[in-house]
Amino acid sequence: DQQVKQNSPSLSVQEGRISILNCDYTNSMFDYFLWYKKYPAEGPTFLISISSIKDKNEDGRFTVFLNKSAKHLSLHIVPSQPGDSAVYFCAARSLRGANNLFFGTGTRLTVIP
Amino acid sequence: EAQVTQNPRYLITVTGKKLTVTCSQNMNHEYMSWYRQDPGLGLRQIYYSMNVEVTDKGDVPEGYKVSRKEKRNFPLILESPSPNQTSLYFCASSLSLASTYNEQFFGPGTRLTVL
Repeated sequence: DQQVKQNSPSLSVQEGRISILNCDYTNSMFDYFLWYKKYPAEGPTFLISISSIKDKNEDGRFTVFLNKSAKHLSLHIVPSQPGDSAVYFCAARSLRGANNLFFGTGTRLTVIP
Repeated sequence: EAQVTQNPRYLITVTGKKLTVTCSQNMNHEYMSWYRQDPGLGLRQIYYSMNVEVTDKGDVPEGYKVSRKEKRNFPLILESPSPNQTSLYFCASSLSLASTYNEQFFGPGTRLTVL
C-alpha cells in the first residue's frame, strides 16, 4: 500500500515558468517531508525538506508547501530551467515512530527551452 | 570527496547464485539504508541500519540480508536471487535519522538482472 503518492508521472513546463509538483500522503504520523531529484544513471540527491511544524520552506528557486489537513505537499520551482529536467521524488517519515523513509513513485519533469 | 560508493554498478546473474552488493560511505554517517527502485513503485526501503550491529527491516526485506560490522560499510546480500529481484538498487547514508538534519546521500545505483 503506497503511503506516499505522486499521481502525476510526468510534467512538461516551458523554461522560465513555474513548475508545481504534487505529493499526497496517507499516514497522519508523518511529520517530516523531503524532496529528492534524480538524474538518469545517478542516485537521488536531496533538494529540500519541511517539518510539519511549518507550512512553507524556501530555498532559492525551490519552495515546498505543506497542507497537513489535506495531507498534501507541493514543490514549486520558479523560474524553471532546462537543468531542472529530472525525476522528482517526494518522501516522508515520522520523527517519532519507525525509522523507515517512504518514497513516492516520482514525477518526471521536463523543462522545455 | 564525500560520497557513497556501490559495487558493482551492473550485474547480470542467474537464479540461485549468491551475490553481494557492497556499499561504503566516507562521511562517518550513522544511518545507512538500501532501496530498490522499480517502475511504477518508486523507491522502496529494503533494510536500514541505525549504527554498527543495528539493522532493521524496511518495507520489502524478503530475500535480502544485510550486515553492519563497520560504520562505513553496509553490504546487501542476496542468498538465492530470483528474477523478481531484478531491479535498480540504491544505498544511502545520513548523519543520523534521529536528527532533523537527516537528508540521505545516495550512491550511484546498482542495476541487477537475475535470469
